[in-house]
Amino acid sequence: QQQVKQSPQSLIVQKGGISIINCAYENTAFDYFPWYQQFPGKGPALLIAIRPDVSEKKEGRFTISFNKSAKQFSLHIMDSQPGDSATYFCAASIGAGNTPLVFGKGTRLSVIA
Amino acid sequence: DADVTQTPRNRITKTGKRIMLECSQTKGHDRMYWYRQDPGLGLQLIYYSFDVKDINKGEISDGYSVSRQAQAKFSLSLESAIPNQTALYFCATSDSWTEQPQHFGDGTRLSIL
Repeated sequence: QQQVKQSPQSLIVQKGGISIINCAYENTAFDYFPWYQQFPGKGPALLIAIRPDVSEKKEGRFTISFNKSAKQFSLHIMDSQPGDSATYFCAASIGAGNTPLVFGKGTRLSVIA
Repeated sequence: DADVTQTPRNRITKTGKRIMLECSQTKGHDRMYWYRQDPGLGLQLIYYSFDVKDINKGEISDGYSVSRQAQAKFSLSLESAIPNQTALYFCATSDSWTEQPQHFGDGTRLSIL
């Protein structure tokens, strides 16, 4: 049973374009939704996170949109750059730091010039 | 120095061998986790520990065991390695007191021949 479903598996975006990755969750007890970024040879690193009391959170070029009624959240990368090429994972948990994260299967993003 | 250190970074071994992967942290976090990453499958939780006396199975614990030797140390063992345990293994930490989300090490690439 996959509790967090992520799409697409892979994404190719032109430099300067918008990258959009979507996730859906099942467990309504989840209240912490982070996105992790992973470069080859490195562990995943926290990129941005949101809690369900807000519908959007923006940090620089990265924005999370959250729809509690639909149990969906998405990552938008504005003005995508080649340096953004990485694998992105959405995740969910009950509390930040309290319980294990449940991860989506990941999206490999390639930003081409 | 890395906050979460995994050793070894790479390991090649043969079927049937006993293997131990080690993780140490300097972040002072109370919770530690072991994940396995396979291409296209995301990060799957093997075991997690909320403190030195607390060990919990994750979704794919069969064939693995763990030991929390101290708050800062959490090791993963494969008692008799098999080829389908070939994967990337990540250790992570989090802190329930300060609500710090999971922070990952850079992984151990394990190949079982």
